[in-house]
Amino acid sequence: GAGVSQSPRYKVAKRGQDVALRCDPISGHVSLFWYQQALGQGPEFLTYFQNEAQLDKSGLPSDRFFAERPEGSVSTLKIQRTQQEDSAVYLCASSPTQGLFTGANVLTFGAGSRLTVL
Amino acid sequence: DQQVKQNSPSLSVQEGRISILNCDYTNSMFDYFLWYKKYPAEGPTFLISISSIKDKNEDGRFTVFLNKSAKHLSLHIVPSQPGDSAVYFCAASSVTGGFKTIFGAGTRLFVKA
Repeated sequence: GAGVSQSPRYKVAKRGQDVALRCDPISGHVSLFWYQQALGQGPEFLTYFQNEAQLDKSGLPSDRFFAERPEGSVSTLKIQRTQQEDSAVYLCASSPTQGLFTGANVLTFGAGSRLTVL
Repeated sequence: DQQVKQNSPSLSVQEGRISILNCDYTNSMFDYFLWYKKYPAEGPTFLISISSIKDKNEDGRFTVFLNKSAKHLSLHIVPSQPGDSAVYFCAASSVTGGFKTIFGAGTRLFVKA
C-alpha cells in the first residue's frame, strides 16, 4: 500500500483482556518495527522483524507481549492479560533496509493504535 | 538509561524567526542521527538526518548540526512557519546496536503567527 496501515486506531480493553494490534507495512519493505509510546514520551523500541524473522525482541516489556510476522508482510502485536500500564500508543514502522545499512535507516510510521486499559 | 535526551519539552517561536531544537546523546557509537516530526493523531514522519562523520546537513529550511565532541545536535528551522508547529523527535541508531532506532522524548514546537 501507499503507507503503513494500523488497526484498530483505538482500542479500549478491560484489565485482563487480550488484545491484538495489526500492522500492514509498505509493500516490499523488508524491515518492520514495533514501538510503544507512552503519553508525553518518545517511541520506545519493542521488537524488530526482517521479513518473517524476529531478529530483536529485547524491548518487549514482559512475556505477555508477543509479536509475529508469519509471511513477512502483515504483523500482529498481541498483548495478553492487559494491565493499566500497557495503556499507550503502539506504533508500527517499516523500512526497505536489510542487512547492514549503508545510510540512515529511515522509518515510515503508521498512525498508531491507541490502547486504553481500564 | 536515556541515550537520547531532549531537555526542552516545549518551545515557542514567532513566525519568520529561527527555531532551534536541541538534543544530547550519550552513546558515542551512534552512526546516524535523525529528526522526525509528529502531528497529533499521526505517526512520526522523517524530516532530516545526518551521518556521524558530518557536522552539518541542510535541506531547505531545515539544517541539522552535529557536535560530536559535545555529543550534541540541533535542528534549525528558518524561517519558522505556523505549519511547523508539531512535536519533534531526535533519534539515533548504530550499526553495532542492531537495527533499533532510539528516540528522545520530543520537543513540542509552537510557531505563533
